[in-house]
Amino acid sequence: EDQVTQSPEALRLQEGESSSLNCSYTVSGLRGLFWYRQDPGKGPEFLFTLYSAGEEKEKERLKATLTKKESFLHITAPKPEDSATYLCAVQGWSGNQFYFGTGTSLTVIP
Amino acid sequence: TAGITQAPTSQILAAGRSMTLRCTQDMRHNAMYWYRQDLGLGLRLIHYSNTAGTTGKGEVPDGYSVSRANTDDFPLTLASAVPSQTSVYFCASSDQSSYNEQFFGPGTRLTVL
Repeated sequence: EDQVTQSPEALRLQEGESSSLNCSYTVSGLRGLFWYRQDPGKGPEFLFTLYSAGEEKEKERLKATLTKKESFLHITAPKPEDSATYLCAVQGWSGNQFYFGTGTSLTVIP
Repeated sequence: TAGITQAPTSQILAAGRSMTLRCTQDMRHNAMYWYRQDLGLGLRLIHYSNTAGTTGKGEVPDGYSVSRANTDDFPLTLASAVPSQTSVYFCASSDQSSYNEQFFGPGTRLTVL
């Protein structure tokens, strides 16, 4: 069964302190791995799609990377406005379903 | 551009009553989805539709039904609500020709008492 595990569950960083969030997955043929940001009381907001091992995508202070078993979301010099829950999801070639992890709650302290 | 709208924003419902959660998108996406989000369990797919006129079951479809009469609308119906259906419900859409990233609505917070 397709599965996604995110770690850590929660992360507190000082402003400017870089770190990484992990997304481990098992899927029968990866069609895509997706990263989303979710603010409290709102719907998830799309960040990145990764398709194959070795691929990297960047957006402002965020960089997503992908291997055959996991993806990392690297946050460089974070700011308080980066505080949110970051969700990872995978879609396999076998069906239409997207499987989401439970997310990492990031708090960036000024 | 509105993107995806959901209604109502929140609702308190008595157990045993029926309710329809509404979802409308204006992006002409062919695929639409309904998720529920519960603390500690993450987003779980309830039902999906690849194109108007077709629907499919997701991970947790029991107690829910959907229809897709046209491209823009994808209502979710609870025929007889139970307390375990208390959750936040998100509708999403994607263009399957455009790498499948999903765009989410703002959610409906449903409480079943």
